[in-house]
Amino acid sequence: EVQLQQSGPELEKPGASVKISCKASGYSFTGYNMNWVKQSNGKSLEWIGNIDPYYGGTSYNQKFKGKATLTVDKSSSTAYMQLKSLTSEDSAVYYCARETTGFAYWGQGTLVTVSA
Amino acid sequence: DIQMTQSPASLSVSVGETVTITCRASENIYSNLAWYQQKQGKSPQLLVYAATNLADGVPSRFSGSGSGTQYSLKINSLQSEDFGSYYCQHFWGTPWTFGGGTKLEIK
Repeated sequence: EVQLQQSGPELEKPGASVKISCKASGYSFTGYNMNWVKQSNGKSLEWIGNIDPYYGGTSYNQKFKGKATLTVDKSSSTAYMQLKSLTSEDSAVYYCARETTGFAYWGQGTLVTVSA
Repeated sequence: DIQMTQSPASLSVSVGETVTITCRASENIYSNLAWYQQKQGKSPQLLVYAATNLADGVPSRFSGSGSGTQYSLKINSLQSEDFGSYYCQHFWGTPWTFGGGTKLEIK
């Protein structure tokens, strides 16, 4: 069974950075791109970018370049997203999602709250 | 960036009714479109991919159609478990943008 297990909620101060994780199981981790999606306060969804776990190549939504950095650890089948220079606009739920034809598998989401 | 305009933004319907949600792309996306359902507090779930293909385990009362810039998700004989929010997403050139969502509520 494919599972994407994300790390727990984070509370950060403005200007800080946060790194959230997405541990994959039940499939060949390097065989599928991993995507990250932002959902602010129950609103719509924004695609942040994706990473090819085999080669490490990334593709970012221009809006999130400089804000998000995607990496993977093949040895632990874990994808990571670091968000830097946090502001209140970064408060949201962040999802990882495995790419096939559409995002068939999603993590449970990680709530990031930015507050002084 | 390709803009996805989804309508309606909200819909109040009764169990048993038929519902159609539409998504219009700002340019031709050549059927590279997916539909998702999201329940409150849960992750989105894939319903349809490549505009017309039902994802595994999705009931046959759901169907996707469309081409070019216009796409639709139809739900026949709405069930209580179908209430929630629905989103379209294109996969034609990055960034892969989502529609604004349709909130389906019980009348």
